Amino acid sequence: GENVEQHPSTLSVQEGDSAVIKCTYSDSASNYFPWYKQELGKGPQLIIDIRSNVGEKKDQRIAVTLNKTAKHFSLHITETQPEDSAVYFCAADREYGNKLVFGAGTILRVKS
Amino acid sequence: GAVVSQHPSWVICKSGTSVKIECRSLDFQATTMFWYRQFPKQSLMLMATSNEGSKATYEQGVEKDKFLINHASLTLSTLTVTSAHPEDSSFYICSAAWSSGRTDTQYFGPGTRLTVL
Repeated sequence: GENVEQHPSTLSVQEGDSAVIKCTYSDSASNYFPWYKQELGKGPQLIIDIRSNVGEKKDQRIAVTLNKTAKHFSLHITETQPEDSAVYFCAADREYGNKLVFGAGTILRVKS
Repeated sequence: GAVVSQHPSWVICKSGTSVKIECRSLDFQATTMFWYRQFPKQSLMLMATSNEGSKATYEQGVEKDKFLINHASLTLSTLTVTSAHPEDSSFYICSAAWSSGRTDTQYFGPGTRLTVL
């Protein structure tokens, strides 16, 4: 079955710097890769997603890149702000059904 | 758009009692709803998938008789934890998606914190 690994587990950056979180997946049949932001005590919020027919997608300060050959995808946050501090999860769809497999999460701390 | 609500946001119950959690899609019709469990400082683990009008499909290791799921309409799914025990204490989160012919985007609810005494 699908396995998603996420790195790093924690990431501290200075306000204004960029943050990069990387995920690798095992199932070459996966086609959908969302990223979620979860604040303490709340449900995950979709921040960006990418499908396998594109290599990069950008939404203001957030971008995601996908390398299907290498089976990895990354989240890029530029000009980080304190409110970006949260846990970020990557996910990949399983080859059957609409199910997602999540990475272990990355705690992002933006220091002001 | 794509707002999902859950009720209650938190619940405390005694061991042996049953607890019902509701998940509603507020501004769209959800063909599929998912139930996850999240333990502290851990990732989300899928428990079951439910489609409106049909039986839920459970992930391996999840007891279907303990975690009863009903998806009675395109905007409402319920999870009932029967005979709850302290080890069932967790953060339960639902998500909802509508069919688009490919892997559907899931929108998550705010979660329900269950504490079993």
